[in-house]
Amino acid sequence: GQQVMQIPQYQHVQEGEDFTTYCNSSTTLSNIQWYKQRPGGHPVFLIQLVKSGEVKKQKRLTFQFGEAKKNSSLHITATQTTDVGTYFCAGSHSNSGYALNFGKGTSLLVTP
Amino acid sequence: SAVISQKPSRDICQRGTSLTIQCQVDSQVTMMFWYRQQPGQSLTLIATANQGSEATYESGFVIDKFPISRPNLTFSTLTVSNMSPEDSSIYLCSVVGVAGGYNEQFFGPGTRLTVL
Repeated sequence: GQQVMQIPQYQHVQEGEDFTTYCNSSTTLSNIQWYKQRPGGHPVFLIQLVKSGEVKKQKRLTFQFGEAKKNSSLHITATQTTDVGTYFCAGSHSNSGYALNFGKGTSLLVTP
Repeated sequence: SAVISQKPSRDICQRGTSLTIQCQVDSQVTMMFWYRQQPGQSLTLIATANQGSEATYESGFVIDKFPISRPNLTFSTLTVSNMSPEDSSIYLCSVVGVAGGYNEQFFGPGTRLTVL
């Protein structure tokens, strides 16, 4: 079936260090989305990438979509304690409409 | 954006019973989904709730176990039937909002279900 793999599962960094999570799909995606879920909260939309090779930035967050539209990454520069949470990638396939296949998520812990 | 509420927020149920979860949206939306998130795990799509027709279920989920209603464009229910401890999870509804070229999904706060 259509799967979206995400690594690492956990990441513990010191405040100020950088952080990257990677997402890989077994099939070509029509688009990929990233969500953040704070402990005890629900997923909140961060970004959507549609074009091959697309790069988007939101302040300290950089999102990339691979040329083959099968992989993506989220990079956070100079992490802060407010970045704590689980980051999910979610892939959408052309034949599934808006339904999303979520990766397992990367839980980020930032210590001061 | 869309504001979504779910009822109940949490419940503890006995095995063999059923629980119906409600999802209310503050605006009319076309696409509505139900997800399950087991503790510390990712989100798994259960089904797409279609207004006026039967829900579309993902592999591994069946209507007899998870009947869904979608009577209008602002409301849906998910029933977890004949529950077992393996059904203990957080159940979330979501809707698609299209704005600025994005088709982001907005999630409800979730219903935390514990089956004893």
